This record gives sequence, C-alpha cells and structure tokens, in this order.
Amino acid sequence: EDQVTQSPEALRLQEGESSSLNCSYTVSGLRGLFWYRQDPGKGPEFLFTLYSAGEEKEKERLKATLTKKESFLHITAPKPEDSATYLCAVQAPNAGGTSYGKLTFGQGTILTVHP
Amino acid sequence: DAGITQSPRHKVTETGTPVTLRCHQTENHRYMYWYRQDPGHGLRLIHYSYGVKDTDKGEVSDGYSVSRSKTEDFLLTLESATSSQTSVYFCAISERIVVRAYEQYFGPGTRLTVT
Repeated sequence: EDQVTQSPEALRLQEGESSSLNCSYTVSGLRGLFWYRQDPGKGPEFLFTLYSAGEEKEKERLKATLTKKESFLHITAPKPEDSATYLCAVQAPNAGGTSYGKLTFGQGTILTVHP
Repeated sequence: DAGITQSPRHKVTETGTPVTLRCHQTENHRYMYWYRQDPGHGLRLIHYSYGVKDTDKGEVSDGYSVSRSKTEDFLLTLESATSSQTSVYFCAISERIVVRAYEQYFGPGTRLTVT
C-alpha cells in the first residue's frame, strides 16, 4: 500500500526565515511526486511534479527536490502570503500496471509566516 | 486556472436523503476524479473516470456512485446520505502530459453537511 507522511504537521516562521518541509513516501514504481498548495476554503493548487531521484524544480521562493525515499519543499525568505497548507502526493501504477493518475496524499503541513 | 466548476458549493441535507454533486470542466480532459477531504485523513480518492462511461472505485467508495455521460461532466451521488459523509468534496481533472504521470487540477470544492 502506498504511504505518504509529511512533517512537520505545522510550521511557524518569521518573514525571511528559510526552512524546509518534508514528504516521506513508500510506493512501488513511483510515476510522479506532486506538491500542491491549499489556501483555506479553496481547492489544492498545483505547484510541481517530480519524476525521478535527483530532480529539482523551482518557482519563486519555492524549490522542490526528490530522493528515492523523500521529497523536500524548501522555502527561501518566505513572506506572509506563502502561508498555506502544503500537500504532497504520489502516483504509482495499480496492480494491473495502470494508474489513471490516482494520487495518494499526505496529510499536509500547515505553514504560517509571521510578518 | 483550470476550467473546473463544482455545484452546489455548499449543501446541508438530512440523513437518508440522496444527494448529487456535479463537476463540470471546460478543458476537455479525459480523466476526472472525486476526492473527499477530512481532518486527520487528508484527501482520499472516492471514484475516478478514465473516459465517458468508464469509471472505477477509489479507496473510500462505499456509499457513493458516479456517472459520466459526457466528457465535461462527472457526477457523484450519495444514495442515502449518512453523517459520516459530512466532508468537503473536491473534483479534479487530468490529462496525461508525459507517458508516466498525470498532473491533476482541482476544483473549488463542495462543502456537504449531513444532519
């Protein structure tokens, strides 16, 4: 069974204080690892897809990295508008070898950035 | 933003009544998904569709059925609503970008309360 664990559950930072969020996963045949941002009362917003160990992607103050067991979302010099819940999800084939894109999500990290 | 709408956005219903939630997309994507999001459980897949009239179960499908008669519409039905189905429901769409992975884009959600 695919499993995704995110840590910490909540993170409070001062504006400008860089940090990292962790996503550990157990999956057979990773097809992709996804990061989403979710604001209160809204649907998850797609950020990144990582396909293989060693891959990195950046967007503004966010940088996502991937190893064979975990992914990190690095936040550099965060601002209050970066406050949100960050979700990690993995995609893997089912027993028949197909997946049709099914995602298994972690429970998220609630990030709060204080001015 | 991906062209995904969900209706209704909020609904309160009584135990034992049938409820249908609608997801409508304007992106002409082949794959559509229904998730529920609950505190302590994160996002969990209910059902998904890999084409018109092609659907399959996710990890929490008991008590739910789906239908997809057109590419743009995916309906989720609670045959007889129970209090345990109080949740926020999200629809997502996907088109296979590369051979390996499917990036999913989420709708704004429907908050359902069963009293």
